[in-house]
Amino acid sequence: GAGVSQSPSNKVTEKGKDVELRCDPISGHTALYWYRQRLGQGLEFLIYFQGNSAPDKSGLPSDRFSAERTGESVSTLTIQRTQQEDSAVYLCASSSQGDSGNTIYFGEGSWLTVV
Amino acid sequence: QKEVEQDPGPLSVPEGAIVSLNCTYSNSAFQYFMWYRQYSRKGPELLMYTYSSGNKEDGRFTAQVDKSSKYISLFIRDSQPSDSATYLCAMSRNNRLAFGKGNQVVVIP
Repeated sequence: GAGVSQSPSNKVTEKGKDVELRCDPISGHTALYWYRQRLGQGLEFLIYFQGNSAPDKSGLPSDRFSAERTGESVSTLTIQRTQQEDSAVYLCASSSQGDSGNTIYFGEGSWLTVV
Repeated sequence: QKEVEQDPGPLSVPEGAIVSLNCTYSNSAFQYFMWYRQYSRKGPELLMYTYSSGNKEDGRFTAQVDKSSKYISLFIRDSQPSDSATYLCAMSRNNRLAFGKGNQVVVIP
């Protein structure tokens, strides 16, 4: 596609349920990022994938959060046993280089509400 | 101390005014400095990008970086209602971006 595609765009889930968020990066982009943005807050780094290297998971807030990426394609972010504080927009971004900020493109986000 | 500080207070200006936004940072390892614009319920889009101290202009937008003071600014000249959005500063090192909280800007016609 022309840009980074994320699904679902909106998700309302009950506390304790698991959710899976999907990201389709721009074709050919080797780097993929997940960020979380809470209401009125800046973007919080979660995880970074670069090609076939081991992902940088240092931003994942707890072991309820995990992410996978198959090769240089789709990534899924999974949140297990969701809590109300997980309510946020989850933004995916991809880059052709992964070593600077000038080629990072964001998707529209997945808006998660935990009730 | 957070890596990037951006006063999130909303800013309302009349159409045609100059908008001035700024961020400070604590880590001198940051290499690249960006400003993103984010419209309501949209993802951030890159507005300005620079990697050295000094000014960079692009149309009505000027980005300023002062590495010695660890301070960056964004100026919007002749502001338009379409400039109403949240503006996030961001800095890059080691393959990740650190973001400020964002400034909500409203340009009143």
